[in-house]
Amino acid sequence: NAGVMQNPRHLVRRRGQEARLRCSPMKGHSHVYWYRQLPEEGLKFMVYLQKENIIDESGMPKERFSAEFPKEGPSILRIQQVVRGDSAAYFCASSLTSGRDYNEQFFGPGTRLTVL
Amino acid sequence: SQQGEEDPQALSIQEGENATMNCSYKTSINNLQWYRQNSGRGLVHLILIRSNEREKHSGRLRVTLDTSKKSSSLLITASRAADTASYFCATVRAAGNKLTFGGGTRVLVKP
Repeated sequence: NAGVMQNPRHLVRRRGQEARLRCSPMKGHSHVYWYRQLPEEGLKFMVYLQKENIIDESGMPKERFSAEFPKEGPSILRIQQVVRGDSAAYFCASSLTSGRDYNEQFFGPGTRLTVL
Repeated sequence: SQQGEEDPQALSIQEGENATMNCSYKTSINNLQWYRQNSGRGLVHLILIRSNEREKHSGRLRVTLDTSKKSSSLLITASRAADTASYFCATVRAAGNKLTFGGGTRVLVKP
C-alpha cells in the first residue's frame, strides 16, 4: 500500500505564475488535508477536504489559493499569481476516518515551492 | 496563534542521554500527537495520546499528557545520532479534524 504521494517534489515559479500541487491520498483514504510550512516553523493547517467537498478552509488565504478533491484523481492545491511569500513546503496528509473515530493522518513528502 | 508551543526550541545532547521536550496548548483537545521531521523531509508520526490517557510508551519514546495543565511531554531515552531531527506536537480539538502544530523542538544528538 503506497503512502501519500505528492508531486512535484520541487516546484520553481516566477512571480505572477500559477502553481499546481498534487496529492494522492493513501488507498482507501477519503479525507485529505493540506498544510504549509514556512522555513524554521511548524506546519499550519490550510484546508480539509473529502471527496468533492471542502469541509474546512479556515486556514486558506482568502485570495489566490484554492483546493479541490474531485471524485476521480488527486487533490489539487492551486496558487494563482504566486508571490515570494508563497515560498514554502506544502504538505498533504490523508486519513481513513474523522470525527469521533479520529484516525492518524499520514503525511506525504511535501512539495517545496520556490518563487523567484 | 499557535495552539501548541514546544519548549525548548532547541536541544543538544550526547548520544545515550535522554531528551525531554514539552508542549503546551490552549484549548480542549480530542488527542495530541508527536511527529518527527528530518531536515527537508516529510513528517513521521511517532505517537498519539488521547485526552483520557495520561501516559503512553512506544519503544524508546514516552509521552505524558496533563489535560489540567494543558501540557504534554515527549521523552526519548538512550538517544542515538539518528534521533537528530525536529519534533513537533500537534493537537486535534474535540470537535475538529485538523492538526494544529507547535513551532517544534530541534534536537541534535552528538555521537
